[in-house]
Amino acid sequence: QKEVEQNSGPLSVPEGAIASLNCTYSDRGSQSFFWYRQYSGKSPELIMSIYSNGDKEDGRFTAQLNKASQYVSLLIRDSQPSDSATYLCAFQGSGYALNFGKGTSLLVTP
Amino acid sequence: EAQVTQNPRYLITVTGKKLTVTCSQNMNHEYMSWYRQDPGLGLRQIYYSMNVEVTDKGDVPEGYKVSRKEKRNFPLILESPSPNQTSLYFCASSQHRGTEAFFGQGTRLTVV
Repeated sequence: QKEVEQNSGPLSVPEGAIASLNCTYSDRGSQSFFWYRQYSGKSPELIMSIYSNGDKEDGRFTAQLNKASQYVSLLIRDSQPSDSATYLCAFQGSGYALNFGKGTSLLVTP
Repeated sequence: EAQVTQNPRYLITVTGKKLTVTCSQNMNHEYMSWYRQDPGLGLRQIYYSMNVEVTDKGDVPEGYKVSRKEKRNFPLILESPSPNQTSLYFCASSQHRGTEAFFGQGTRLTVV
């Protein structure tokens, strides 16, 4: 069974701080990794994709991948109240399914 | 505008009454899938399709059917809905396996 582990939170950070979200996965054959943001009752929205070890930056977001440790993270710099949402980690394993974690709830307080 | 469109957005139905949730994408994506999302359980894949006429079961396929007769459409069929199928459903599409998935707006289904 392909598993994705995320801390459910809530993770609370003050406005302007860095939020750090973490995810571990079980399938060593995984090649593609994604972070989605989901507001309550809304559909998941793609934030970042990362395919190789190292860091990938896009605006205030940085994804970090370490395949040896089976670990992927998302850093959000200068966190804003509008970043308050649930963040879903997902990976494409050796099969056809995109496997999702249960998500980490992030709360950015003014 | 590139998008995945689901209909209806909200549906309340009775046990045993067949229903279809439609999904259409305008991005010429090969890969489409259906998920259900329940509190505490996260997103779980129901069925997926790698291309026209090619479908396969995901993690929770019981009680559902799908078809892929055209590349753009991937309807989800509940032949005899039961209350345990009350959930929030999402359709998603991606260009290929392993590429970014884009989600529809969701369908909130209640079976009474």
